[in-house]
Amino acid sequence: QKEVEQDPGPLSVPEGAIVSLNCTYSNSAFQYFMWYRQYSRKGPELLMYTYSSGNKEDGRFTAQVDKSSKYISLFIRDSQPSDSATYLCAMRERNYQLIWGAGTKLIIKP
Amino acid sequence: SAVISQKPSRDICQRGTSLTIQCQVDSQVTMMFWYRQQPGQSLTLIATANQGSEATYESGFVIDKFPISRPNLTFSTLTVSNMSPEDSSIYLCSVGSGPEQFFGPGTRLTVL
Repeated sequence: QKEVEQDPGPLSVPEGAIVSLNCTYSNSAFQYFMWYRQYSRKGPELLMYTYSSGNKEDGRFTAQVDKSSKYISLFIRDSQPSDSATYLCAMRERNYQLIWGAGTKLIIKP
Repeated sequence: SAVISQKPSRDICQRGTSLTIQCQVDSQVTMMFWYRQQPGQSLTLIATANQGSEATYESGFVIDKFPISRPNLTFSTLTVSNMSPEDSSIYLCSVGSGPEQFFGPGTRLTVL
Protein backbone atom coordinates (compact mmCIF):
# COMPACT_ATOMS: atom_id res chain seq x y z
CA GLN A 1 0.00 0.00 0.00
CA LYS A 2 1.34 3.42 -0.95
CA GLU A 3 1.66 6.07 1.74
CA VAL A 4 -0.40 8.48 -0.34
CA GLU A 5 -3.18 7.39 -2.68
CA GLN A 6 -4.61 9.62 -5.37
CA ASP A 7 -6.91 8.65 -8.23
CA PRO A 8 -5.07 9.47 -11.49
CA GLY A 9 -8.30 10.23 -13.38
CA PRO A 10 -8.78 11.78 -15.81
CA LEU A 11 -11.62 13.73 -14.27
CA SER A 12 -13.68 15.59 -16.85
CA VAL A 13 -16.25 18.22 -15.79
CA PRO A 14 -18.13 21.06 -17.54
CA GLU A 15 -17.04 24.63 -17.11
CA GLY A 16 -18.54 26.26 -14.00
CA ALA A 17 -18.84 23.01 -12.05
CA ILE A 18 -17.45 22.47 -8.58
CA VAL A 19 -14.49 20.11 -8.67
CA SER A 20 -13.48 17.87 -5.81
CA LEU A 21 -10.01 16.31 -5.78
CA ASN A 22 -8.96 13.93 -3.03
CA CYS A 23 -6.08 12.05 -1.48
CA THR A 24 -5.91 9.49 1.29
CA TYR A 25 -2.85 8.66 3.34
CA SER A 26 -1.71 6.15 5.90
CA ASN A 27 0.95 7.99 7.95
CA SER A 28 -0.68 9.70 10.93
CA ALA A 29 2.54 11.70 11.51
CA PHE A 30 1.99 13.87 8.43
CA GLN A 31 1.55 17.49 9.50
CA TYR A 32 1.81 19.53 6.29
CA PHE A 33 -0.52 18.97 3.38
CA MET A 34 0.09 20.59 0.00
CA TRP A 35 -1.67 20.86 -3.32
CA TYR A 36 0.33 21.47 -6.47
CA ARG A 37 -0.90 22.19 -9.98
CA GLN A 38 1.13 21.04 -12.96
CA TYR A 39 0.41 22.15 -16.48
CA SER A 40 1.67 20.07 -19.36
CA ARG A 41 5.43 20.45 -19.90
CA LYS A 42 5.80 22.61 -16.80
CA GLY A 43 7.06 22.06 -13.25
CA PRO A 44 4.60 21.71 -10.36
CA GLU A 45 3.32 24.98 -8.91
CA LEU A 46 2.33 25.25 -5.25
CA LEU A 47 -1.36 26.17 -4.92
CA MET A 48 -1.77 26.08 -1.19
CA TYR A 49 -0.76 24.23 1.92
CA THR A 50 -2.41 23.47 5.23
CA TYR A 51 -0.85 22.72 8.55
CA SER A 52 -2.62 20.00 10.53
CA SER A 53 -6.41 19.82 10.26
CA GLY A 54 -8.97 22.31 9.02
CA ASN A 55 -9.85 24.32 5.99
CA LYS A 56 -8.01 26.95 4.02
CA GLU A 57 -9.50 29.12 1.31
CA ASP A 58 -7.80 31.08 -1.45
CA GLY A 59 -10.08 32.58 -4.06
CA ARG A 60 -11.86 29.76 -5.87
CA PHE A 61 -9.77 27.10 -4.14
CA THR A 62 -10.48 25.47 -0.78
CA ALA A 63 -8.25 22.86 0.86
CA GLN A 64 -9.60 20.58 3.56
CA VAL A 65 -7.75 18.21 5.86
CA ASP A 66 -9.49 15.54 7.92
CA LYS A 67 -6.76 13.90 10.00
CA SER A 68 -9.19 11.55 11.74
CA SER A 69 -10.06 10.01 8.37
CA LYS A 70 -6.58 10.57 6.85
CA TYR A 71 -8.24 12.32 3.93
CA ILE A 72 -7.53 15.60 2.20
CA SER A 73 -9.51 17.44 -0.45
CA LEU A 74 -9.13 20.33 -2.84
CA PHE A 75 -12.30 22.04 -4.06
CA ILE A 76 -12.37 24.32 -7.09
CA ARG A 77 -15.43 26.51 -7.47
CA ASP A 78 -16.60 27.97 -10.78
CA SER A 79 -14.08 25.84 -12.66
CA GLN A 80 -12.52 27.32 -15.78
CA PRO A 81 -10.87 25.70 -18.81
CA SER A 82 -7.60 27.25 -17.55
CA ASP A 83 -7.88 25.00 -14.48
CA SER A 84 -7.26 21.99 -16.72
CA ALA A 85 -4.04 20.49 -15.38
CA THR A 86 -2.73 17.68 -13.22
CA TYR A 87 -3.23 18.26 -9.50
CA LEU A 88 -0.79 16.60 -7.13
CA CYS A 89 -1.19 16.26 -3.41
CA ALA A 90 1.90 16.08 -1.24
CA MET A 91 2.42 15.78 2.47
CA ARG A 92 5.19 15.55 5.00
CA GLU A 93 6.10 15.13 8.60
CA ARG A 94 7.73 18.07 10.39
CA ASN A 95 11.23 17.84 8.92
CA TYR A 96 10.97 15.03 6.44
CA GLN A 97 10.77 14.91 2.69
CA LEU A 98 7.56 15.38 0.76
CA ILE A 99 5.56 12.29 -0.08
CA TRP A 100 3.62 12.69 -3.30
CA GLY A 101 0.38 11.38 -4.69
CA ALA A 102 0.29 10.18 -8.28
CA GLY A 103 -1.63 13.25 -9.45
CA THR A 104 -5.16 13.62 -10.86
CA LYS A 105 -5.55 14.86 -14.41
CA LEU A 106 -8.41 17.38 -14.52
CA ILE A 107 -10.15 18.42 -17.73
CA ILE A 108 -12.60 21.34 -17.73
CA LYS A 109 -14.80 21.27 -20.81
CA PRO A 110 -15.93 24.66 -22.19
CA SER B 1 8.84 32.33 -3.87
CA ALA B 2 11.89 31.54 -5.97
CA VAL B 3 12.42 31.67 -9.71
CA ILE B 4 14.18 28.58 -10.98
CA SER B 5 15.57 27.94 -14.44
CA GLN B 6 16.87 24.71 -15.90
CA LYS B 7 19.03 23.90 -18.90
CA PRO B 8 18.51 22.17 -21.20
CA SER B 9 14.72 22.16 -21.39
CA ARG B 10 14.83 18.94 -23.36
CA ASP B 11 17.31 16.61 -24.98
CA ILE B 12 17.46 13.38 -26.93
CA CYS B 13 20.51 11.30 -26.08
CA GLN B 14 22.09 8.04 -27.15
CA ARG B 15 22.38 5.04 -24.87
CA GLY B 16 25.64 4.99 -22.92
CA THR B 17 26.23 8.74 -22.97
CA SER B 18 25.87 11.25 -20.11
CA LEU B 19 23.89 14.46 -19.77
CA THR B 20 24.42 17.27 -17.27
CA ILE B 21 21.39 19.30 -16.25
CA GLN B 22 21.87 22.75 -14.79
CA CYS B 23 19.65 24.45 -12.21
CA GLN B 24 19.87 28.17 -11.43
CA VAL B 25 17.92 29.92 -8.66
CA ASP B 26 17.39 33.67 -8.40
CA SER B 27 18.14 33.74 -4.67
CA GLN B 28 20.45 31.98 -2.26
CA VAL B 29 19.02 28.76 -0.87
CA THR B 30 20.41 26.18 1.50
CA MET B 31 18.76 23.07 0.16
CA MET B 32 18.16 22.06 -3.44
CA PHE B 33 16.35 18.92 -4.50
CA TRP B 34 16.46 16.83 -7.64
CA TYR B 35 13.37 14.86 -8.65
CA ARG B 36 12.47 12.49 -11.44
CA GLN B 37 8.98 12.32 -12.91
CA GLN B 38 8.33 9.46 -15.30
CA PRO B 39 5.49 9.80 -17.81
CA GLY B 40 2.10 9.82 -16.12
CA GLN B 41 3.61 9.25 -12.71
CA SER B 42 4.33 11.28 -9.63
CA LEU B 43 7.57 12.75 -8.43
CA THR B 44 10.39 10.67 -7.01
CA LEU B 45 13.13 12.37 -5.03
CA ILE B 46 16.58 11.50 -6.33
CA ALA B 47 18.76 13.46 -3.90
CA THR B 48 19.10 16.52 -1.71
CA ALA B 49 22.01 18.85 -2.39
CA ASN B 50 23.39 21.16 0.29
CA GLN B 51 26.12 23.64 -0.51
CA GLY B 52 29.47 22.55 0.85
CA SER B 53 28.58 18.93 1.52
CA GLU B 54 28.00 15.71 -0.34
CA ALA B 55 24.52 15.18 -1.73
CA THR B 56 22.21 12.80 0.10
CA TYR B 57 20.72 10.14 -2.18
CA GLU B 58 17.41 8.36 -1.76
CA SER B 59 17.02 4.62 -1.88
CA GLY B 60 17.50 3.34 -5.40
CA PHE B 61 19.69 6.21 -6.56
CA VAL B 62 23.50 6.20 -6.39
CA ILE B 63 26.18 8.82 -6.84
CA ASP B 64 27.93 6.99 -9.67
CA LYS B 65 24.77 7.13 -11.75
CA PHE B 66 23.55 10.58 -10.69
CA PRO B 67 26.50 12.71 -9.58
CA ILE B 68 25.48 16.12 -8.25
CA SER B 69 27.47 19.29 -7.81
CA ARG B 70 26.52 22.26 -5.63
CA PRO B 71 29.28 24.84 -6.01
CA ASN B 72 27.34 27.75 -4.48
CA LEU B 73 24.00 28.75 -2.98
CA THR B 74 22.26 29.51 -6.29
CA PHE B 75 23.41 26.72 -8.61
CA SER B 76 23.46 22.94 -8.91
CA THR B 77 23.98 20.32 -11.58
CA LEU B 78 22.69 16.77 -11.92
CA THR B 79 24.44 14.39 -14.31
CA VAL B 80 22.66 11.33 -15.64
CA SER B 81 25.49 8.91 -16.46
CA ASN B 82 25.73 5.95 -18.80
CA MET B 83 22.14 6.47 -19.86
CA SER B 84 19.69 3.77 -20.86
CA PRO B 85 16.13 4.11 -22.20
CA GLU B 86 14.87 3.57 -18.63
CA ASP B 87 16.35 6.98 -17.75
CA SER B 88 13.90 8.68 -20.11
CA SER B 89 12.02 11.01 -17.79
CA ILE B 90 11.49 14.58 -16.70
CA TYR B 91 14.12 15.79 -14.24
CA LEU B 92 13.08 18.61 -11.94
CA CYS B 93 15.10 20.90 -9.72
CA SER B 94 13.39 22.22 -6.61
CA VAL B 95 14.15 24.52 -3.69
CA GLY B 96 12.28 24.77 -0.46
CA SER B 97 12.00 26.50 2.85
CA GLY B 98 9.65 25.30 5.52
CA PRO B 99 6.69 23.40 4.09
CA GLU B 100 6.86 25.00 0.65
CA GLN B 101 8.81 23.78 -2.35
CA PHE B 102 9.21 25.53 -5.68
CA PHE B 103 10.08 23.82 -8.92
CA GLY B 104 11.90 24.58 -12.09
CA PRO B 105 10.28 23.90 -15.47
CA GLY B 106 12.00 20.54 -15.80
CA THR B 107 14.30 18.87 -18.31
CA ARG B 108 12.64 16.36 -20.57
CA LEU B 109 15.12 13.61 -21.39
CA THR B 110 14.65 10.94 -24.02
CA VAL B 111 17.24 8.18 -24.32
CA LEU B 112 17.32 6.15 -27.52
